[in-house]
Amino acid sequence: GAGVSQSPSNKVTEKGKDVELRCDPISGHTALYWYRQSLGQGLEFLIYFQGNSAPDKSGLPSDRFSAERTGGSVSTLTIQRTQQEDSAVYLCASSPGQGSSYEQYFGPGTRLTVT
Amino acid sequence: KQEVTQIPAALSVPEGENLVLNCSFTDSAIYNLQWFRQDPGKGLTSLLLIQSSQREQTSGRLNASLDKSSGRSTLYIAASQPGDSATYLCAAITDSWGKLQFGAGTQVVVTP
Repeated sequence: GAGVSQSPSNKVTEKGKDVELRCDPISGHTALYWYRQSLGQGLEFLIYFQGNSAPDKSGLPSDRFSAERTGGSVSTLTIQRTQQEDSAVYLCASSPGQGSSYEQYFGPGTRLTVT
Repeated sequence: KQEVTQIPAALSVPEGENLVLNCSFTDSAIYNLQWFRQDPGKGLTSLLLIQSSQREQTSGRLNASLDKSSGRSTLYIAASQPGDSATYLCAAITDSWGKLQFGAGTQVVVTP
């Protein structure tokens, strides 16, 4: 079956511009996670969705970052006024249930480069 | 705060040798632990999820153990093959929502 998909696969943007990153989870998966992978910081948790609500936003690095999920499916991560330190690979994962007992399945990621 | 460490950072072995990858975590109050594989430029592939009540989990040539009391997990890969070359990441599940706390990974090269 189809896995987690993310778009675009690569995004180059100028400093100060806004970007939107999209994640399509596996059909039927209720939990969705965003992570960021950068050279200096490794893999970091950003935000978690259960259905359309986000009970844990603790990993968002600043108020320039926001995310939403609609219809319990697609999620969009938005970064406003991008900075060079935002350059990273943004990974999305989904899992079939709420909580810690379920494996997370990752998408291929979006590589963001801020120039 | 939970810290997850993987040692060594890199490992090179000849084909056929068994691989032993180590993961340690500072807070034993984890929910579960998950091992992943990452190929260059790609996302993460889940290998094994070990529930906190389990001591080990097996899938094919892979076996992962979990010792919460000592804060350690070990991934064994039997009879390594060049296709096993990748970066292996462990991640502790640190809350009931399933948030993953990752180690920095071990980069493995299996030489023919």
